[in-house]
Amino acid sequence: DQQVKQNSPSLSVQEGRISILNCDYTNSMFDYFLWYKKYPAEGPTFLISISSIKDKNEDGRFTVFLNKSAKHLSLHIVPSQPGDSAVYFCAANNNAGNNRKLIWGLGTSLAVNP
Amino acid sequence: NAGVTQTPKFRVLKTGQSMTLLCAQDMNHEYMYWYRQDPGMGLRLIHYSVGEGTTAKGEVPDGYNVSRLKKQNFLLGLESAAPSQTSVYFCASSKGLAGVNEQFFGPGTRLTVL
Repeated sequence: DQQVKQNSPSLSVQEGRISILNCDYTNSMFDYFLWYKKYPAEGPTFLISISSIKDKNEDGRFTVFLNKSAKHLSLHIVPSQPGDSAVYFCAANNNAGNNRKLIWGLGTSLAVNP
Repeated sequence: NAGVTQTPKFRVLKTGQSMTLLCAQDMNHEYMYWYRQDPGMGLRLIHYSVGEGTTAKGEVPDGYNVSRLKKQNFLLGLESAAPSQTSVYFCASSKGLAGVNEQFFGPGTRLTVL
């Protein structure tokens, strides 16, 4: 059972517009959330993170919003650029007991069209 | 500063053959990880290490062994390869726990087991 769900396998937006990537989770013990970006034939690279005690974190064009009551987070990219075209993974840290581990979503492929 | 490197980049094995994947990092990170990525599934943790000389099982450890004899290297071994081990393997490292620290990934090794 997927504990971290990225329900949109793909997303296409125009250059300059906003990209919104969504992630839902089921486990209330998750205490930290991270977004990674992955280009073809490369490993994932860290993008931005947020602690469960916050509801927003911003870094340049990238903002992550966390809604704990809905168990939902979203990544906003404004303005979107063609270089942002990649697969974006949402990951959540499970802080339950001694079994800390990162749970990954399946990813959303973003295409930013010029 | 090469970051995380993986050797080899591609490999084709026959069922029953063995091989070792090498991961090296030059960031003096304590934590290292081996993941596999399969179509329709997120990154899954195979084994990890919290320091030189230590290893621990992740989500999907069966069929794999690991060693961390030197801090900068983390080896993943397949003693008797099976077609189910066809996957893309990523190595990663972090200075602290993955859930709250950025992980740095290698470029991946694409393994096919016939």
